[in-house]
Amino acid sequence: ETGVTQTPRHLVMGMTNKKSLKCEQHLGHNAMYWYKQSAKKPLELMFVYSLEERVENNSVPSRFSPECPNSSHLFLHLHTLQPEDSALYLCASSQGDRESNEQFFGPGTRLTVL
Amino acid sequence: SQQGEEDPQALSIQEGENATMNCSYKTSINNLQWYRQNSGRGLVHLILIRSNEREKHSGRLRVTLDTSKKSSSLLITASRAADTASYFCATVTTDSWGKLQFGAGTQVVVTP
Repeated sequence: ETGVTQTPRHLVMGMTNKKSLKCEQHLGHNAMYWYKQSAKKPLELMFVYSLEERVENNSVPSRFSPECPNSSHLFLHLHTLQPEDSALYLCASSQGDRESNEQFFGPGTRLTVL
Repeated sequence: SQQGEEDPQALSIQEGENATMNCSYKTSINNLQWYRQNSGRGLVHLILIRSNEREKHSGRLRVTLDTSKKSSSLLITASRAADTASYFCATVTTDSWGKLQFGAGTQVVVTP
């Protein structure tokens, strides 16, 4: 176990549903990340929070809405998704050290949009 | 464009053999990291090599870095079936706040 948990592990939703992904880190880190991993593509960084403030938003569609209520929890709220949003969504955390930034990943949520 | 690109895309070897994969990148880096991902799971950090280092070892892993060629290699010696996974390189560039940029990965299959 890496100290980063994600729920749910699997999610199937229709295009009109609203759902949320949850991530929790037990490592005392101050930065958290959402990545999208699609088949045969590099990991795509979606959002970064450092000390609970969003520091990066990589042109992600507004149907994805992140929330970071504290340094241990990160949510990704989903609304009106498209089938092409089906992917593995990975959460990660790090100490936020600019010089190394080793990241610890959760197991991911496998999302299927029907 | 992609910062890190792994080569080969896929590698199939037998237990006991060595596995070598390469990573090339485009811009100056602070450090380069290798991660492993078992099928459908999260990534696990394996090793980090800084821009002023040339070689690093961790157990059966050996990583080299050639900043003049902007490339790195990961060698897994005496491979085991449990090494079957995808391996990713990720770079922290000098112009970023510490953001990791991942390549598309090398899929390694080790057969008993």
